[in-house]
Amino acid sequence: QKEVEQDPGPLSVPEGAIVSLNCTYSNSAFQYFMWYRQYSRKGPELLMYTYSSGNKEDGRFTAQVDKSSKYISLFIRDSQPSDSATYLCAMSARSNYQLIWGAGTKLIIKP
Amino acid sequence: GAGVSQSPSNKVTEKGKDVELRCDPISGHTALYWYRQSLGQGLEFLIYFQGNSAPDKSGLPSDRFSAERTGGSVSTLTIQRTQQEDSAVYLCASRTGTGGGYTFGSGTRLTVV
Repeated sequence: QKEVEQDPGPLSVPEGAIVSLNCTYSNSAFQYFMWYRQYSRKGPELLMYTYSSGNKEDGRFTAQVDKSSKYISLFIRDSQPSDSATYLCAMSARSNYQLIWGAGTKLIIKP
Repeated sequence: GAGVSQSPSNKVTEKGKDVELRCDPISGHTALYWYRQSLGQGLEFLIYFQGNSAPDKSGLPSDRFSAERTGGSVSTLTIQRTQQEDSAVYLCASRTGTGGGYTFGSGTRLTVV
């Protein structure tokens, strides 16, 4: 079993929908959680960075961490075709430890 | 520079040839990572440099792969006697020594024919 599980998709939704992307993990020591967005032929870029449990909001994006369930989510409101990309989750036990990555979910927003 | 720079952006090479891929991290970032990403796949860790410490080479898939980092800055990933299965995008990332998110370059797309 992988340390971080992420459904590879693809996930296809209509423009304007609320998108929910998720990762589960097995290591209870993880405390730092990140979401990256990767467009085709580009490197991943950091979207959201959270520490421990709770929610963090940035514009149309909300990151949620539930450490009791070992489950993290990224919500995208009012989704746009420009949100079409692969979304990767990543996490670590300490801030300077190597990140452990999910496999990425391919998201397609249909106009 | 402002971001992580990788060169070349694309490389086509014949099977059996050696290739060198270059990464220029963000100035002041002491941690540098190399990853490989095959088409439609996730990130495969290759090697990690942190300051002057010995690199973590645990992800290198074979002894044909090696990497060095000179002066704590620029890094070169070398693949000797390339094979078709080496075809992938090679990504470099850097971050500060205290942690936080990685900043990635745009990658080198390697095609072995």
